[in-house]
Amino acid sequence: KNEVEQSPQNLTAQEGEFITINCSYSVGISALHWLQQHPGGGIVSLFMLSSGKKKHGRLIATINIQEKHSSLHITASHPRDSAVYICAVITGTASKLTFGTGTRLQVTL
Amino acid sequence: KAGVTQTPRYLIKTRGQQVTLSCSPISGHRSVSWYQQTPGQGLQFLFEYFSETQRNKGNFPGRFSGRQFSNSRSEMNVSTLELGDSALYLCASSLDARQGYGELFFGEGSRLTVL
Repeated sequence: KNEVEQSPQNLTAQEGEFITINCSYSVGISALHWLQQHPGGGIVSLFMLSSGKKKHGRLIATINIQEKHSSLHITASHPRDSAVYICAVITGTASKLTFGTGTRLQVTL
Repeated sequence: KAGVTQTPRYLIKTRGQQVTLSCSPISGHRSVSWYQQTPGQGLQFLFEYFSETQRNKGNFPGRFSGRQFSNSRSEMNVSTLELGDSALYLCASSLDARQGYGELFFGEGSRLTVL
């Protein structure tokens, strides 16, 4: 069993829909990243959080440390949101990341 | 402000050869970490350097090594290449290393093909 599990693996949505991507982990963590990867490989860090909730534009990330669970929400989805979303946890010291397998999101018109 | 720069972007090697990849972090960032991405294994942590010291290492064989220079630029080396080393190699830099982690800024990656 992977230490970091994401669901769903694939997600298709219509423009304007509210989207939720989930991440569960089985180890103690210092913090959690949500990353976005577009075709071609470039990765952008969307959020880093260790507690509570963060919001940036149409994106919202929450984390529940006790339940070992985090969610990424996209409100009013748009085709440009189509990408792979990856959750990664920091375990122990320094920047050793353990990654989830990613959620491939496609938003259609 | 320049982003994280990785060179080369693409390269092709044959089995048994070695390869060196370079990563120039964002100015002022002292932490550089490396990752391997393959279709089968996804993203995996290779190692992380801070102030020229390897601070953490993933579960990769000794053929994978790295170093960081005084200007924070980092290189990783893979010796005796195997077909399975074909991958996208990503580096990321981070500013806030006092906690041991911070927001990550990724380069575009170096895509290695081993024939």
